[in-house]
Amino acid sequence: GDSVTQMEGPVTLSEEAFLTINCTYTATGYPSLFWYVQYPGEGLQLLLKATKADDKGSNKGFEATYRKETTSFHLEKGSVQVSDSAVYFCALSELGNTGFQKLVFGTGTRLLVSP
Amino acid sequence: NAGVTQTPKFQVLKTGQSMTLQCAQDMNHNSMYWYRQDPGMGLRLIYYSASEGTTDKGEVPNGYNVSRLNKREFSLRLESAAPSQTSVYFCASSRGGLAGGPKDYNEQFFGPGTRLTVL
Repeated sequence: GDSVTQMEGPVTLSEEAFLTINCTYTATGYPSLFWYVQYPGEGLQLLLKATKADDKGSNKGFEATYRKETTSFHLEKGSVQVSDSAVYFCALSELGNTGFQKLVFGTGTRLLVSP
Repeated sequence: NAGVTQTPKFQVLKTGQSMTLQCAQDMNHNSMYWYRQDPGMGLRLIYYSASEGTTDKGEVPNGYNVSRLNKREFSLRLESAAPSQTSVYFCASSRGGLAGGPKDYNEQFFGPGTRLTVL
């Protein structure tokens, strides 16, 4: 089946540093791609998404570009803040054999930002 | 709108006890999901309901049952809890995920989670 691979964490940065969290995927067809964020003690929230090749998703200063040629959807932010400390999940939509699309998640990458 | 709500937030069970986790959404979504989250393993799908009246197994269904009570509510039952079911459980919903449908319909909205410990 389809799968998502994320870089292992934790990623530890100082405030205002540049962030990259790598995500690559394997999929048949043309999935949508997502980044979700989970703050401590909370559920997952959608951070950004892209539905086709070369699309760029962006939100709250985060960006990710759907790269079909490298099967990647890396998350970037130019200047992180302490409040960005969270776990970030990359996900894709997988078409199952019942004709229903489900999300497949990576294992998550913890980001720790210090002042 | 409350979005997706889950009860309880915390629960401690003894091995062999049963319990039901409740989930409700007020977004008129067609599809609902139950996941478990374990350290280092991300989210794994337990069961899902593509639409009212249907349920299907996900990646890790053993030891669980579900009921799609109506369009709003989707419950997860542990008939005989085991320590291996210690986890954080998340419910989610989406407008729908049928092939060929709008890709925005795949976006899932999550509840705050239930932390379950089985002793």
